[in-house]
Formats: sequence, structure tokens, C-alpha cells
Amino acid sequence: NAGVTQTPKFQVLKTGQSMTLQCAQDMNHEYMSWYRQDPGMGLRLIHYSVGAGITDQGEVPNGYNVSRSTTEDFPLRLLSAAPSQTSVYFCASTPTGGADTQYFGPGTRLTVL
Amino acid sequence: GENVEQHPSTLSVQEGDSAVIKCTYSDSASNYFPWYKQELGKGPQLIIDIRSNVGEKKDQRIAVTLNKTAKHFSLHITETQPEDSAVYFCAARSYSSASKIIFGSGTRLSIRP
Repeated sequence: NAGVTQTPKFQVLKTGQSMTLQCAQDMNHEYMSWYRQDPGMGLRLIHYSVGAGITDQGEVPNGYNVSRSTTEDFPLRLLSAAPSQTSVYFCASTPTGGADTQYFGPGTRLTVL
Repeated sequence: GENVEQHPSTLSVQEGDSAVIKCTYSDSASNYFPWYKQELGKGPQLIIDIRSNVGEKKDQRIAVTLNKTAKHFSLHITETQPEDSAVYFCAARSYSSASKIIFGSGTRLSIRP
């Protein structure tokens, strides 16, 4: 298994541009989540999904959209990038059946100029 | 809202000594407490976790203790080694909040040779 994969690893955007961060897992996990990591603030939950077709907001959802059309994929869309969205983004998945262990991807470092 | 406080933010210990990181949580419904290790340029990786029906759990040189009455839990690393140098995050999950895990702000642990 490849586990949780994220693309791209690095991205630079200009203010106002849009883009999609890709996340995929091959472990048949039901739960998937997106976090952002900023210095001194740990990881903050952006959006999460408890299964295909079901998504919900986390702690910091503004400026981001998600969809979950398949079990494997959970893309994160930035509609109009702002400098405040400069951060490292992590996708995570959790096994089926209520287990708690989260498996994180390697992250995407995003810079918005 | 729910939050998790983590201390200290940085910790430097001599190789072979012990390291202790402490966290407190606010949501009394929290009942799952994982600890993650994040190495430079990588995503967080689960190293140990504890549930609310257990007071202590050990895995080789790593142990976690939980005091539900006081709402705090701690990570103990004994006989520290250079490869223990990393950022450590505590977290708390509340089953009243579905799939939400709240992370602490992280502790940067450095092991001095």
C-alpha cells in the first residue's frame, strides 16, 4: 500500500488564484481529513469526511471547499488564494469501523504571494 | 470551544536522560488521546495513544499517563536517543464531536549528544 499520498509537494500561488490540493489513500479508510499546520499553532482541522458523499466543516473552513466522490480521494480546493492561506497542508485518513488512528500524508507546502 | 494546551514548546535534554511533555484538555467528553511525532519535512506519525479507561500505557521507552479528573495527560520518553529529536504533538478526540481531533501546539524536542 502507498498509504496516504498528497500532490503537489510544493506550490506557489499569487493572490486570487485557485488551485486544488490532491489527497488519495489506498487503505479503504472511511474517514478523511484536511489540516493546516502553522508555526506555533499545531494542526487545525479544515474539513473532514466520514464517507463518500459526506463532508463537514472543521475549525477553519473559510476559503476552502472539499468533495468526496470516491472513498479513495479527498481533494481540497482553494477558491481564491490569500496570503493568510500560506501554510503546510496535511491530509489524513482513519480506518473503517470507528478506529481512531490517523495516518497522515507527507504534506503540501503552499505559499501565497 | 474545545482546546488542548501543550507544554513546553521547546525541550532540550542530554542523550540518555528522560523527557516529559504535558498536555491539558478542556472537553470532559474527550476519551482518546494520541501522541504524534513529526520529523522534519514529514507528516505526523502516531507513536502511542491512550483511552480514557486506562491510566498508563507503555511501549518500550515511551509511556503515556492520563489523569481524567485533572484533564491532563503526559508523554514520557526514557533513555533518550538522537533519533528522538522531533516535534511531538498531543491530541484529544471527543466522541461527542464525531471525527474531530484537537491538537496541541507541539513541542520541539532536541537531544544533546
